[in-house]
Amino acid sequence: QSVLTQPPSASGTPEQRVTISCSGSISNIGSNIVNWYQQLPGTAPKLLIYSNNQRPSGVPDRFSGSKSGTSASLAISGLQSEDEADYYCAAWDDSLNGYVFGTGTKVTVL
Amino acid sequence: QVQLQESGPGLVKPSQTLSLTCTVSGGSISSGGYYWSWIRQHPGKGLEWIGYIYYSGNTYYNPSLKSRVTISLDTSKNQFSLKLRSVTAADTAVYYCARDRSYYDSSGDYRYFDYWGQGTLVTVSS
Repeated sequence: QSVLTQPPSASGTPEQRVTISCSGSISNIGSNIVNWYQQLPGTAPKLLIYSNNQRPSGVPDRFSGSKSGTSASLAISGLQSEDEADYYCAAWDDSLNGYVFGTGTKVTVL
Repeated sequence: QVQLQESGPGLVKPSQTLSLTCTVSGGSISSGGYYWSWIRQHPGKGLEWIGYIYYSGNTYYNPSLKSRVTISLDTSKNQFSLKLRSVTAADTAVYYCARDRSYYDSSGDYRYFDYWGQGTLVTVSS
């Protein structure tokens, strides 16, 4: 039951900038931190961005996150072929009393 | 390096109980600051959080699954487990176990899934 809305797909050519939106509500994004996960084909999700805009060690700096109000965004600057994956936002929801994930966005490198 | 590994039957009959175990290596399941979670992904779909357990034994479940779910700890084996009762075809999914890390510092509070198992496909079918 995804309550965070993402565009189903996004694409770009190598080196282009791609942005993925994540829309929620006051009970989730509006009140809590947002994390982003990258899921390469056939693998488990991997933490990409935590606490809205922090990158874990080892994540390239071409990935960046931001949050404003009840929405968040993930930007990939300088798109690479290895960035082809599904991307999910996630946040705690105070109304549901549980984690909620975004609907997911498939990024394609043209 | 922390590693998580799911194990359990890949095929469960309708109305029966799905049982999975997650074995944690490279870190203690009894350490504070970590919530041990189960997450599933229906075929070709997005992620759904099932619930978590803290080292103290406290649990928290997705309200939509709460009536059918039990998550438990076995600290002697450094494992945690998932039981999902009365399964139907709608419970067919890849099930992941994950570590949910929680901490705070001078910059604020942090909480995220930092380690995941590889996932195991469970099919519900007669």
